[in-house]
Amino acid sequence: GQQVMQIPQYQHVQEGEDFTTYCNSSTTLSNIQWYKQRPGGHPVFLIQLVKSGEVKKQKRLTFQFGEAKKNSSLHITATQTTDVGTYFCADSGGSNYKLTFGKGTLLTVNP
Amino acid sequence: ETGVTQTPRHLVMGMTNKKSLKCEQHLGHNAMYWYKQSAKKPLELMFVYNFKEQTENNSVPSRFSPECPNSSHLFLHLHTLQPEDSALYLCASSPGTGGTGELFFGEGSRLTVL
Repeated sequence: GQQVMQIPQYQHVQEGEDFTTYCNSSTTLSNIQWYKQRPGGHPVFLIQLVKSGEVKKQKRLTFQFGEAKKNSSLHITATQTTDVGTYFCADSGGSNYKLTFGKGTLLTVNP
Repeated sequence: ETGVTQTPRHLVMGMTNKKSLKCEQHLGHNAMYWYKQSAKKPLELMFVYNFKEQTENNSVPSRFSPECPNSSHLFLHLHTLQPEDSALYLCASSPGTGGTGELFFGEGSRLTVL
């Protein structure tokens, strides 16, 4: 079945540094969703990307969908301690009901 | 407050016990899901219900038995579980047909099987 690979698995940064997590697939992705899960919390939806080459911004977060729709990235500018958590990408596989999640990238931020 | 409420938040059970996890959503959604989250593994989809009908059973062992009496409530009945079933069980809902397919997760039920 569809597999979504996420790298890196862990990332530790100093507060103020930038952070990027990547989501890759060997097959074409349908729609990419991004979620954030704080330590001890539950996944919370951040955004969905649908179109090839799409770029969306939410304050310090920039989300991109690759031109070939085989990869996506989440970039955080000037990280803050509130950014700590695990960031997951998920592919819908063309269905509203069957998201395939990556393993996630755990971000820790040193104040 | 997430709009999706799960109880209990923590559960410890022996391998011969029978217990149930409950999920209730207050968002007027039509689709509800059970996901399993284990350490170092991706979120695993277990079951999907759309308009109370099961549309997905992702090869889940029969010791997990879902029940969806209406679009707002979802249960996961647990029977003769194994220690490897210890995990965080997340319930989620989504609007269903149309929309972005965005999932709204509950806070999860942390299950420990002894």
